Amino acid sequence: NAGVTQTPKFQVLKTGQSMTLQCAQDMNHEYMSWYRQDPGMGLRLIHYSVGAGITDQGEVPNGYNVSRSTTEDFPLRLLSAAPSQTSVYFCASSYSTTLYTTNYGYTFGSGTRLTVV
Amino acid sequence: AQTVTQSQPEMSVQEAETVTLSCTYDTSESDYYLFWYKQPPSRQMILVIRQEAYKQQNATENRFSVNFQKAAKSFSLKISDSQLGDAAMYFCAYRTDAGGGADGLTFGKGTHLIIQP
Repeated sequence: NAGVTQTPKFQVLKTGQSMTLQCAQDMNHEYMSWYRQDPGMGLRLIHYSVGAGITDQGEVPNGYNVSRSTTEDFPLRLLSAAPSQTSVYFCASSYSTTLYTTNYGYTFGSGTRLTVV
Repeated sequence: AQTVTQSQPEMSVQEAETVTLSCTYDTSESDYYLFWYKQPPSRQMILVIRQEAYKQQNATENRFSVNFQKAAKSFSLKISDSQLGDAAMYFCAYRTDAGGGADGLTFGKGTHLIIQP
C-alpha cells in the first residue's frame, strides 16, 4: 500500500548512543518532515525537506541531523542520544500546495517510540 | 509565526450525541489550510477533514463537519452521532500556503475525546 513507512516502531537507547530513524514514502511527494510528539505538547517540527539535497530546520532541531539523497527517503539521525529525546517520532510527506491538487494534507507514518535511558 | 490553540484538553460525550471541539489560530496570512487529525491509541495520525482558507463553504465529511470563521480565526470540529470508534486525541493543524507549504504543519496541543457508552 502507498504511504509513509517508518522503522523501527520501538527503540531503547542508552545515553550517548547514536541511531538513525528511517522514513520512506512511495507517493512521489516533494516535501518530507520529521516531528516529535511529547505529552501535552502536540507535534513539533524537527526538520523538513523540500526535495532531494535540500533540508532545513524546524522548531526543535537541536540534537538531530537529516539528509535527503533521494525523493523517497528522509532519515533522522540522533548523534548522541539524551533522555530529553525520549519521545514519539513521526515522519510525514506531502505535495507542494502550489500544485493543482486537492490532496494537500500531510500523510504520516505510524511513528517510532524512542526511549533514552 | 503561526500558533494554534486548542482550549479543551479533554471532552466527553455520550454515544450517538454531538460534540464540538474548538480550535483557534493566529496568523497574518490570507491563504492557508486547516486540518483536523485524529490519533487513536494506535498512535497513527489520520486526516479527518481539511479546509482551504479561500473557501467560505464549510467542509463536511460524513459525520464530521467544521465551522470555519476566517475573521475570528476559528476552526471548530463537529462530530455528529458520536461512535465508540471516535474516541481519540484530536489535533487541529495549520499549513501555510507560502513557499508551497514546505515547512510542515503547526499543531495545537490536542483534545482528548472520550465517548461514553
